[in-house]
Amino acid sequence: EAQVTQNPRYLITVTGKKLTVTCSQNMNHEYMSWYRQDPGLGLRQIYYSMNVEVTDKGDVPEGYKVSRKEKRNFPLILESPSPNQTSLYFCASFGASHTGELFFGEGSRLTVL
Amino acid sequence: AQSVAQPEDQVNVAEGNPLTVKCTYSVSGNPYLFWYVQYPNRGLQFLLKYITGDNLVKGSYGFEAEFNKSQTSFHLKKPSALVSDSALYFCAVRDGGSYIPTFGRGTSLIVHP
Repeated sequence: EAQVTQNPRYLITVTGKKLTVTCSQNMNHEYMSWYRQDPGLGLRQIYYSMNVEVTDKGDVPEGYKVSRKEKRNFPLILESPSPNQTSLYFCASFGASHTGELFFGEGSRLTVL
Repeated sequence: AQSVAQPEDQVNVAEGNPLTVKCTYSVSGNPYLFWYVQYPNRGLQFLLKYITGDNLVKGSYGFEAEFNKSQTSFHLKKPSALVSDSALYFCAVRDGGSYIPTFGRGTSLIVHP
């Protein structure tokens, strides 16, 4: 089954404690992206990657890092989380045809105390 | 630059009545337009897209959307709403040749029994 898998789905952490949200897709997609969803603000792009070892900033990259060492994985790293990073995070991917739609993971709800 | 507007935060409709969720866009080139749906505690799911061709696009769950180039709109429609259609709906646009989509803020559809 084609899917994008994120882990963890839920996480409560404290300010400053580094964490990683993993994302993996099994569709051999080139493009992967991270979004955060906040009430009233819709979806905002954090980082995206066009292919292995190619990453770029989205609209709200501050406080986040990403890496793309393998095609299937695109982890989101919060080096020193702060309460304003409390949000619902989504990973998404699509293939080389740029007419394609995005496939989304189920989301990771992060709370930073 | 590309942008999307969903002018209604919330749409209320009675079950069995037709529904419309509005979306307008702005792009510099040819638009690739998408609708996604998000059910509670789930990721976004693709509903339908317009790339080229027929202005009326049919998608999943009985939804359709009409592309109107002169009004730069891509409204989502369904002839007869179901309570189970209650969800958050996102419109997205990509400028043809760009891989980066821009999302609207989302419209909450509430279908009353």
